[in-house]
This record gives sequence, structure tokens and C-alpha cells, in this order.
Amino acid sequence: DTEVTQTPKHLVMGMTNKKSLKCEQHMGHRAMYWYKQKAKKPPELMFVYSYEKLSINESVPSRFSPECPNSSLLNLHLHALQPEDSALYLCASSQDPSYNEQFFGPGTRLTVL
Amino acid sequence: DQQVKQNSPSLSVQEGRISILNCDYTNSMFDYFLWYKKYPAEGPTFLISISSIKDKNEDGRFTVFLNKSAKHLSLHIVPSQPGDSAVYFCAASGGADGLTFGKGTHLIIQP
Repeated sequence: DTEVTQTPKHLVMGMTNKKSLKCEQHMGHRAMYWYKQKAKKPPELMFVYSYEKLSINESVPSRFSPECPNSSLLNLHLHALQPEDSALYLCASSQDPSYNEQFFGPGTRLTVL
Repeated sequence: DQQVKQNSPSLSVQEGRISILNCDYTNSMFDYFLWYKKYPAEGPTFLISISSIKDKNEDGRFTVFLNKSAKHLSLHIVPSQPGDSAVYFCAASGGADGLTFGKGTHLIIQP
């Protein structure tokens, strides 16, 4: 299995909702990442998990809360989001944090109303 | 300040000809460079990479060239095919801190 999967594909939520994005990989990768991509912009790094521990948080607001329950799963919990948080959220994984090739999932298209 | 720059938002190339996509970087700590291809509504797909200790890496129709002194890299696709039409992102890494992406170049292959 050489895929990174993400669910859901699309999500529409109100500003008071709580929702979660899920990411899964079964490649035995020990580093997992969350990126945010706005339209016509490059992906921007949000969080890095290294061996299931949060190693990088790129000054992301606390309304985004990552979680790594095990080495195959990565969640992004969302609460009290703003309309400007609407974007494509991409999950990626790599063999380990020092391994540069990252494999991306298809993304979750999030719309905040 | 953009650390990875792709100055051409779009590039149109005739099928069968060579496509050359360019990328410049400013951070001298970057030591590994990657190219990703992205179709609409999909995640980026890894294409090819190069370490800073090399100046060229080839994989089939794709070749990446790195000029460290100029802090410049390029992706050559030859021959270009219709399925190559996509947005190409240049990305750079300086260690275990994720990737820094350029803004992307939209490559259009014309029949």
C-alpha cells in the first residue's frame, strides 16, 4: 500500500461546529505532516509529527488541533474556524523526518460558512 | 519573504517539444530539492528530486538540474506529452522541518 488517504474529501462547516479531518498511511512512515493550501498558492506547512510526537507547529492558531493516535493515523481537529480558514488541507508522510520525499494525500476541501 | 520562487505562473509548450520549468531559492541551508506535479483537486505527486551534492538527476523523460552557485534549479521534460499538463511545484528542504514550496507553474501542453 503506497497511498496516503484522507477523509472526508469535502467538508462544509459553520463557525461554531467541531469537526475532524483524518489521514492514514500504511507505508510504515514515521513522519506525518499537515499542510494548508489556499487557491493559487503553494502548500504551507502547519504541523510535523515525528515518531508520533509533535515536532513542529508553524504558529498555527489553536482552533486547529492535531493528534497522532498511532504511527499510521493523523487527525486534525477543527473548532470555531473562520471563513478565511477555507482551504485544501493536505496530509503527507515520509519515511522519517530526515527523509525528504513526502507523499501527499488527495486533500480535504474545507469550506467554513 | 519567499524562499522558493517560481517566477513563471504559466508555460505553454507544444507536444513533443522540451518543457523547461525554473525555480530559484534564497535559503542557502536548503540541501534537497523536489519537484511535485499537481492536478486540480488532488494532492501533489512526487516527481523527481535532487540532493545538493549532485548537479543533475534523470528519471525517464524528467531531468532536474541544480546550479548551487546560482541557487537555481530547473526541471526538463522531454518529450512533452498532453498528460504532463498540470501545475508543477518546486520544493526545498533544509532538514526535518517540512518542505517549502514555490508558487507553482501551470504547464500547458498544446497538441
